[in-house]
Amino acid sequence: GAVVSQHPSWVICKSGTSVKIECRSLDFQATTMFWYRQFPKQSLMLMATSNEGSKATYEQGVEKDKFLINHASLTLSTLTVTSAHPEDSSFYICSARDRLTGAFEQYFGPGTRLTVT
Amino acid sequence: EDQVTQSPEALRLQEGESSSLNCSYTVSGLRGLFWYRQDPGKGPEFLFTLYSAGEEKEKERLKATLTKKESFLHITAPKPEDSATYLCAVQAISDSWGKFQFGAGTQVVVTP
Repeated sequence: GAVVSQHPSWVICKSGTSVKIECRSLDFQATTMFWYRQFPKQSLMLMATSNEGSKATYEQGVEKDKFLINHASLTLSTLTVTSAHPEDSSFYICSARDRLTGAFEQYFGPGTRLTVT
Repeated sequence: EDQVTQSPEALRLQEGESSSLNCSYTVSGLRGLFWYRQDPGKGPEFLFTLYSAGEEKEKERLKATLTKKESFLHITAPKPEDSATYLCAVQAISDSWGKFQFGAGTQVVVTP
């Protein structure tokens, strides 16, 4: 149980284009989903928190207009990197909390490797 | 400000050589402390949640303990498949959404 998927698992795009990453909770409904990015040999940095049907809350220093988050349903959240640049290349990981149990554990997806050329 | 510090940064063990990882934290009201394991190129895998000082949780060769200032992850008689980065995270009572503050992680390598 508590499986989270991400799609795609890796993507290469050209500078200036936009990329959408999907995060799905497969066997549970998610109260809240979180988006992180991780640079090589570093820990996870929280980018934003999203709740179904409401606007995402972004961490300080994260550009809202660049990283668009949509939490369309209790099982799907999307992160769109707009006008991507090489410095946006990173490992993006989502996580979700189980709405039914109300537990505070976060279950993580497998991550999406974004490379901007 | 909430802070999480993990030590050591890296640990190299022989198979069967037990050891402990440390996670020190400062948080204004701890809701929970969480341990995860992360393999290269993958998302973190949930291991344990600890809520109060004195609590202990076990899973196979791993045992997590919690005090008011730190948590330990004990690895007993490790095997090569225990090689991974171990992350701890704290969650403050004040945060209604349940955000995590992660430590930098301890990279564990177990050699045969």
